[in-house]
Amino acid sequence: QVHLQQWGAGLLKPAETLSLTCGVYGGSPRFYSWNWIRQPPGRGLEWIGTISYSGSTTYSPSLKSRVTLSLDTSNDRLSLRLHSVTAADTALYYCARGTVNLNFYMDVWGTGTTVKVSS
Amino acid sequence: QSVLTQPPSVSGAPGQKVTISCTGTISNIESGNDVHWYQQLPGAAPRLLISHNDNRPSGVPERFSGSNSGTSASLAISGLQAEDEAEYFCQSFDTGLSAPIFGGGTQLTVL
Repeated sequence: QVHLQQWGAGLLKPAETLSLTCGVYGGSPRFYSWNWIRQPPGRGLEWIGTISYSGSTTYSPSLKSRVTLSLDTSNDRLSLRLHSVTAADTALYYCARGTVNLNFYMDVWGTGTTVKVSS
Repeated sequence: QSVLTQPPSVSGAPGQKVTISCTGTISNIESGNDVHWYQQLPGAAPRLLISHNDNRPSGVPERFSGSNSGTSASLAISGLQAEDEAEYFCQSFDTGLSAPIFGGGTQLTVL
């Protein structure tokens, strides 16, 4: 049974870089897409970006200039970096396994990491 | 403001049936893109409930069903149970944005 474990800094100051990692355990990341989703307090879900096993990436148009996703296949770890954060980036961040088609769905989710941006 | 529109809340008594709608535009649902549904229990990560309009993953009770008319999608929950009290999100793909999109979420209250 695949499960995803997340970790990373939960409190940032404006202009800093958010950095989160997601470990994939109990299964190979091959044949899936790997996604980051965030949920601001009391609000809905927002897609951040997707990385394939081969390393190709797609990003949300609204975050594209600040986001970098990577996948280390040697230890099955995904990483999210979001530069120049502001209070608007305060949210619960999830990694999630997805299917590989264009209209993919996500069937395994990490437990989430709360990130707060505050001066 | 979400690209897909869901009612903010629905409610029903135990045993009843409720339906949650998900309305899109010509860039997503109306262009034939499938809809997926997730359940988010309080304090938990989202859980896949329905994929590709009407497919139920193993482990999801038959009480949950999905449909897509081409102009909007719906999630139906029959035989409501207290444990169904959660937030429900729809997801599709927006061809114009070239990105997956979500509804704003619907809070289900079991009376």
